Amino acid sequence: AQSVAQPEDQVNVAEGNPLTVKCTYSVSGNPYLFWYVQYPNRGLQFLLKYITGDNLVKGSYGFEAEFNKSQTSFHLKKPSALVSDSALYFCAVRDPGGGNKLTFGTGTQLKVEL
Amino acid sequence: DAGVTQSPTHLIKTRGQQVTLRCSPKSGHDTVSWYQQALGQGPQFIFQYYEEEERQRGNFPDRFSGHQFPNYSSELNVNALLLGDSALYLCASRYHDRPYQPQHFGDGTRLSIL
Repeated sequence: AQSVAQPEDQVNVAEGNPLTVKCTYSVSGNPYLFWYVQYPNRGLQFLLKYITGDNLVKGSYGFEAEFNKSQTSFHLKKPSALVSDSALYFCAVRDPGGGNKLTFGTGTQLKVEL
Repeated sequence: DAGVTQSPTHLIKTRGQQVTLRCSPKSGHDTVSWYQQALGQGPQFIFQYYEEEERQRGNFPDRFSGHQFPNYSSELNVNALLLGDSALYLCASRYHDRPYQPQHFGDGTRLSIL
């Protein structure tokens, strides 16, 4: 069975500084990986995905993620954080059998301060 | 173009009661999935519907059931409610024929069990 780990419950960063939110995964076969963001009292908003190809994936709002197969990681990055980036971030892996099931990590709360 | 819509937004029930939650997928999407997000946790996959049939199911008891209608909208039913069923219930949709596209999530229904 697939699994996702987000080792940090919370990440604090100053506005303008680079940010990284960590994610590691475990899955049989090729991984299909996603990052979603959740603002208070809202659903999940898609940021980016890795299916195949370049290890550096670019997504919405200036976010990018680096896929590393040997380390089974898919860390979310942004070169310059904004206060408005403060939210709850989830990494997810899709069922490799072709089904719809996404397995999510426990989430990382990102706090960007002035 | 409306996204995924869910109703109601909030619901309060007591133990032992039954509840029905509703979801309208994003326009054109024909596959609907339901997730349960307990407080402080990542979403957990309940099941997926396509062509009015349950196609995939997560680790949830039979008290959780669903339905999909010809217009692709969906319902989630939970019987014999327990305190532990208190959570945010999220609906997600996508095109069945585009399995590598991300799922789109609604803002969820917040269910509280007293």
